[in-house]
Amino acid sequence: NAGVTQTPKFRILKIGQSMTLQCTQDMNHNYMYWYRQDPGMGLKLIYYSVGAGITDKGEVPNGYNVSRSTTEDFPLRLELAAPSQTSVYFCASSPRDRGRTSYEQYFGPGTRLTVT
Amino acid sequence: DAKTTQPNSMESNEEEPVHLPCNHSTISGTDYIHWYRQLPSQGPEYVIHGLTSNVNNRMASLAIAEDRKSSTLILHRATLRDAAVYYCILRPIIQGAQKLVFGQGTRLTINP
Repeated sequence: NAGVTQTPKFRILKIGQSMTLQCTQDMNHNYMYWYRQDPGMGLKLIYYSVGAGITDKGEVPNGYNVSRSTTEDFPLRLELAAPSQTSVYFCASSPRDRGRTSYEQYFGPGTRLTVT
Repeated sequence: DAKTTQPNSMESNEEEPVHLPCNHSTISGTDYIHWYRQLPSQGPEYVIHGLTSNVNNRMASLAIAEDRKSSTLILHRATLRDAAVYYCILRPIIQGAQKLVFGQGTRLTINP
């Protein structure tokens, strides 16, 4: 298994440009997540999805959009990029929790985005 | 979300045990205690989790206080590769509440 893969690894955007960060997992996980991490800080949840066709906002959703048309893919769209979106973006996935069993999240390697 | 408190940084020597503390005095009965770590320039990596009893796996041990208001992650024999930021996170088991809320964690330095 490749696990969770993210592309691109690095990207520089000009203010106002748009882009899509790609995330794919091959573990057949129901749940997928997007986090951002600013320098020296912990991760913050942007959006998450509990299955194909279902998405929901996390703590910091403004300026982002997501879609989940398949179990494997969960792309994150940035419209009208702003300097405040300069960050490292991590995608993660996990199996659906069942009963009183808690499962871990598996993280991708991240995309380092700079907006200037 | 229930909050956790961890020291900002800790330092230890290679091949010695490391005890990383976490306080979570407002934990609820349905909160699991999860530990993740983040090596430099990588995504977070799951370490261990538990509910009430102490837990062991190949990476670490988790000791949970009887009142569940604190826990300790134990690395039995630290190596240089264990230098990372360690996050203690409470995660409700309620169906659908899948979010991980990351604090600033403890930055662990391992001296050769």
